[in-house]
Amino acid sequence: KAGVTQTPRYLIKTRGQQVTLSCSPISGHRSVSWYQQTPGQGLQFLFEYFSETQRNKGNFPGRFSGRQFSNSRSEMNVSTLELGDSALYLCASSLTSGSTDTQYFGPGTRLTVL
Amino acid sequence: QKEVEQDPGPLSVPEGAIVSLNCTYSNSAFQYFMWYRQYSRKGPELLMYTYSSGNKEDGRFTAQVDKSSKYISLFIRDSQPSDSATYLCASDSGNTPLVFGKGTRLSVIA
Repeated sequence: KAGVTQTPRYLIKTRGQQVTLSCSPISGHRSVSWYQQTPGQGLQFLFEYFSETQRNKGNFPGRFSGRQFSNSRSEMNVSTLELGDSALYLCASSLTSGSTDTQYFGPGTRLTVL
Repeated sequence: QKEVEQDPGPLSVPEGAIVSLNCTYSNSAFQYFMWYRQYSRKGPELLMYTYSSGNKEDGRFTAQVDKSSKYISLFIRDSQPSDSATYLCASDSGNTPLVFGKGTRLSVIA
């Protein structure tokens, strides 16, 4: 069974631009969560989608948004990029929503904002 | 104060040593405790999953949770160079998102 895939793997943008990252969950998984990982803050939860509905949202500004499609694939968008948005963005999928279900992480998208 | 605190290391040990990795947490509602391992340029992978207090063993790995002191531990016996990675602890209450520690970077030297 294929794992979680994320595209692109690496991205370089400049301040003020916007970016869209994509995540394809493991087949059959309906929940997708997004995390931001930085050396200073570690792994921080952005949001979770389950059956196309946002279930939870972390403490990030409105510039960060996401959506999930009917095939469970998910995208996250960051508008008006800032230097501090440089990070590894990880997506994780699970069968259902809730912590009793194992989350499987993708390899991440490394975003660099110049 | 972060809800889950973890010493970032780095921690360097010789091959065959017993490794002890630790986290503390502040939220009394946390019931689920996990350890993830993250290799360089990869996403985290779940190593151990524990509900409430107690010990759980899986091969060379043992996870311990002490809810009275809000302390989470991961022990690695007979450590191998392939164990070199960043180890992340994580906790939640069951209906809230996972909260991760910042991770401890471990190097096992052959």
